[in-house]
Amino acid sequence: KQEVTQIPAALSVPEGENLVLNCSFTDSAIYNLQWFRQDPGKGLTSLLLIQSSQREQTSGRLNASLDKSSGRSTLYIAASQPGDSATYLCAVTNFGNEKLTFGTGTRLTIIP
Amino acid sequence: GAGVSQSPSNKVTEKGKDVELRCDPISGHTALYWYRQSLGQGLEFLIYFQGNSAPDKSGLPSDRFSAERTGGSVSTLTIQRTQQEDSAVYLCASSLRGLGTEAFFGQGTRLTVV
Repeated sequence: KQEVTQIPAALSVPEGENLVLNCSFTDSAIYNLQWFRQDPGKGLTSLLLIQSSQREQTSGRLNASLDKSSGRSTLYIAASQPGDSATYLCAVTNFGNEKLTFGTGTRLTIIP
Repeated sequence: GAGVSQSPSNKVTEKGKDVELRCDPISGHTALYWYRQSLGQGLEFLIYFQGNSAPDKSGLPSDRFSAERTGGSVSTLTIQRTQQEDSAVYLCASSLRGLGTEAFFGQGTRLTVV
């Protein structure tokens, strides 16, 4: 059974700093990995999708990397802003099982 | 529509009543997912539809929960004889083809059972 872990559960950093969020998964036979953000009381917003054959994806100040063999992904946020404050979730999809398995998220607070 | 639409956004119901939650996926998306997010908990998979294939119902927590998808588009999640532990945010997502394609979520329906 796939298990997805995100550590730390919460993180506070001053505005302007670069930061890294971590996601690990137990079953490396994934098809892809997706990063989302969730604002309080809202749904999930897709940030980046990485296919299993890819090493990284970039969108603006966000860069997600994937090391499938070690069961890890990182989300790098450059020059953080208060608007980046949210809960960040990663989710994986395994071959033969099309549901997304989510981590429990990292709650990020950017301090102005 | 531009995104996944869910209705109602909020629902308060009395214990024992039935409720229906609606999801309108992005036009042309063949895959549709339902998830549940309880207070302070992670996202719990409920059910997955892909085209005309039989749905994956493996996440439905009890036989009080059911879902259908009519015409490969709109989906309804029905909870019968609601219980207080059913209180949660119910999230719907769609993707173009399922496996390998990006999933987009709606804003959710917050269900409160009193």
